[in-house]
Amino acid sequence: DAGVTQSPTHLIKTRGQQVTLRCSPKSGHDTVSWYQQALGQGPQFIFQYYEEEERQRGNFPDRFSGHQFPNYSSELNVNALLLGDSALYLCASSLSRQGGYGYTFGSGTRLTVV
Amino acid sequence: AQSVTQPDIHITVSEGASLELRCNYSYGATPYLFWYVQSPGQGLQLLLKYFSGDTLVQGIKGFEAEFKRSQSSFNLRKPSVHWSDAAEYFCAVGGAGANNLFFGTGTRLTVIP
Repeated sequence: DAGVTQSPTHLIKTRGQQVTLRCSPKSGHDTVSWYQQALGQGPQFIFQYYEEEERQRGNFPDRFSGHQFPNYSSELNVNALLLGDSALYLCASSLSRQGGYGYTFGSGTRLTVV
Repeated sequence: AQSVTQPDIHITVSEGASLELRCNYSYGATPYLFWYVQSPGQGLQLLLKYFSGDTLVQGIKGFEAEFKRSQSSFNLRKPSVHWSDAAEYFCAVGGAGANNLFFGTGTRLTVIP
């Protein structure tokens, strides 16, 4: 049973560029949440997608956007990259009824902005 | 405001010694509490969770945690640490009907032979 798959594993971008990160949820899960984990910090909630819509959003600017596809996979897009966007981006999938309590996390995408 | 405090940034213990990692939380409603472990280059793995009921909860890998409402704490314990327990540990809080978790800044555990 495949868990949560994230791609790419590592990514280096230049300030001002745009980036897209991808997440395939665990089989049977219908909800995808994204977290940003800066170095030395705990994960911070970006947003959650369910039924192809953003259901809840954390305290992140509009430069951060997402999408969920009919197969439940998801993308995280970040525009106008800043140095401070360098972080590990974690995707977590779950069943809708479990909310944040049935998370399965992926291994993350390490984004470095130079 | 919701928050989690893990006061110990780094803890070093000898293999076979006991372990306690501290976690204090602030949450405006009945809290749901979690401990996750993160190995280098990996995602987060759930160790245990507390929703209600018995305040002492058992998790995987021999870990347990005790919820103390009066102290707003949810400390993680293990009676005998193994070298493979070396990792980063995160405490998190959420609530009924919420879809996200608030994480602490983590405690890095080093195990020495």
